[in-house]
Amino acid sequence: QKEVEQDPGPLSVPEGAIVSLNCTYSNSAFQYFMWYRQYSRKGPELLMYTYSSGNKEDGRFTAQVDKSSKYISLFIRDSQPSDSATYLCAMSAGVLGKLIFGQGTTLQVKP
Amino acid sequence: NAGVTQTPKFQVLKTGQSMTLQCAQDMNHNSMYWYRQDPGMGLRLIYYSASEGTTDKGEVPNGYNVSRLNKREFSLRLESAAPSQTSVYFCASTPTGASTDTQYFGPGTRLTVL
Repeated sequence: QKEVEQDPGPLSVPEGAIVSLNCTYSNSAFQYFMWYRQYSRKGPELLMYTYSSGNKEDGRFTAQVDKSSKYISLFIRDSQPSDSATYLCAMSAGVLGKLIFGQGTTLQVKP
Repeated sequence: NAGVTQTPKFQVLKTGQSMTLQCAQDMNHNSMYWYRQDPGMGLRLIYYSASEGTTDKGEVPNGYNVSRLNKREFSLRLESAAPSQTSVYFCASTPTGASTDTQYFGPGTRLTVL
């Protein structure tokens, strides 16, 4: 069993939809949770970072962490075609060199 | 700031050839990393360097060597390339003193081994 599971999709939604992207994990020591966005043929870029449980909001993006269920989510409100990308979750217990990535979910937002 | 830069952007090798992938960051970050990204496999850590002068193996180090030349530069060497090393390679770095492992990535090198 992988430490981090992420549905690879692809996920296709109409412009303006609310998008929910999710990851589950098995290691209860994870405390730091990140979402990266990767456009085609580009490097991943850090989108959201959350420490421990709770919500964090940044514009149209909301990251949620539920440590009791070992489940994290990224919500995108009013999705735009420019949000079309692969979204990777990543998590760490704070040990250097031990950032674990999900497989990534490919999102397409259609105009 | 250019952030994390990688050269070359693309490379085609024949089996058995060697090459070095270059990575540099101008953000004064201490820690640097090399990953490979393959379809369905996500990002897998090859090697990392916690600070200048130190390197450690990651999840998939076989067939690779690294050099942390100075604080800015971290290179990845394939001594005898194999088709299984066809992949996209990303370099990343972490801010000095960061309490978490947030990493900032370069644009990648697409390597094909024939």
